[in-house]
Parts: sequence; C-alpha cells; structure tokens
Amino acid sequence: DTGVSQDPRHKITKRGQNVTFRCDPISEHNRLYWYRQTLGQGPEFLTYFQNEAQLEKSRLLSDRFSAERPKGSFSTLEIQRTEQGDSAMYLCASSPGGRVGATGTQYFGPGTRLLVL
Amino acid sequence: AQTVTQSQPEMSVQEAETVTLSCTYDTSESDYYLFWYKQPPSRQMILVIRQEAYKQQNATENRFSVNFQKAAKSFSLKISDSQLGDAAMYFCAYRSEPHALNFGKGTSLLVTP
Repeated sequence: DTGVSQDPRHKITKRGQNVTFRCDPISEHNRLYWYRQTLGQGPEFLTYFQNEAQLEKSRLLSDRFSAERPKGSFSTLEIQRTEQGDSAMYLCASSPGGRVGATGTQYFGPGTRLLVL
Repeated sequence: AQTVTQSQPEMSVQEAETVTLSCTYDTSESDYYLFWYKQPPSRQMILVIRQEAYKQQNATENRFSVNFQKAAKSFSLKISDSQLGDAAMYFCAYRSEPHALNFGKGTSLLVTP
C-alpha cells in the first residue's frame, strides 16, 4: 500500500513533555500538510510544505510547535512542553503540487492521536 | 478568510433511501476546489467526491453526487441508495490553490436498517 502513513498512531504523554510525530507522504507527492482535529470538529490547518520548504503556517502553530521536512520526503511535527489543550488527532495529508487547474485533492493518513495528561 | 458552513450536525437516513447533506461557503476567489470527505468512526478520512469551481457540470461518483451552485456558494452532497457502510462523519471542504483545506464542522450521518 502506498498511502500516507503516520507514526505513532497513539501517543500518551505527561504535560510538559516533548513529543514528535512522523508522516510519510505518498512517494510522488511534493506537498505535505499537517492538520489538527479535536473531538467533534473538522480538521484545522497547521502548516504545509512544498518539497522541503515550509510555505505556510497557521496562527494555531504556536512557538511550541515545529515542523520539518528534510529532503522533501517524510515530515516531523514536534510539540514542545505539551499542554492538555494539545490533546487532539494530528492528521497528515499529501498532494501532488502543480498548476492551478490540476487536482487539488489531498490524501490523508490515519492520524496520530495525542493525549496529554 | 474562507469559511465553510455545514448547518446539519446530524442526519439520519434509512437504508436504500436518499439523503442530502448541505454545505455553504464564503470566498472571494474565482478558482477553487470543493470536496466532500468521509471519516468513519476511528478510521481514516477518505475522499468522497471533488468539484472544480470552473466546471459547471456537477460531479458524480457512483451513488454520490453534488449540487454545486456557484453563485449561491452552495455545495450539497446527495447519497443515493444509502448503505450501512455510509454511516460516518462527512466533512465539506474548500481549497484555493496553493492553500490548505478549510473544513466545515461536519455532519454525522446515521444509516438505519
């Protein structure tokens, strides 16, 4: 299967600890997105990469959050000094880049569910 | 900023019947994409159907079709011949190149036998 994969699928941590999540996009996709989804809500955009360049960041992405995509392949999302409000599902999605008019479809991974105690 | 509104938090449909989920959006862009995603309980979000704003013809994928009204900024999803496996959270989403998806809050669809 060549879909988007995320690791770990579940993470429980104590408040104040750092956590890191990994996303492996579909191999030929040069765009990678991170979203956060809280219970009963739609996903909210966090940040996005075109290849290795981080092109857009949401206001939701506080300075405790950092994302990287070295070499334009997999991406990591790190949360430092976790807070209980960080508890959520963190979703990764990838899409082909390209001109306006090309498909804008994003394909989602299974998500990483974070619980901060 | 673009906003997406799904006014139906929950909908219910009987197996084999048809149901329509509503979505409206607000944008000043002329080129954009609209999507319906399905998220079954504790499972992965998957694409149901996509509509490019420049296309006047409504998209159709098997039992799923949309009613895209660009002037009214409306994008509803019709599910025909509903099946038990259609039960899920359905999210309407908007995207303009090159930005990320803006999602609505979702509609929970219950399918009863």
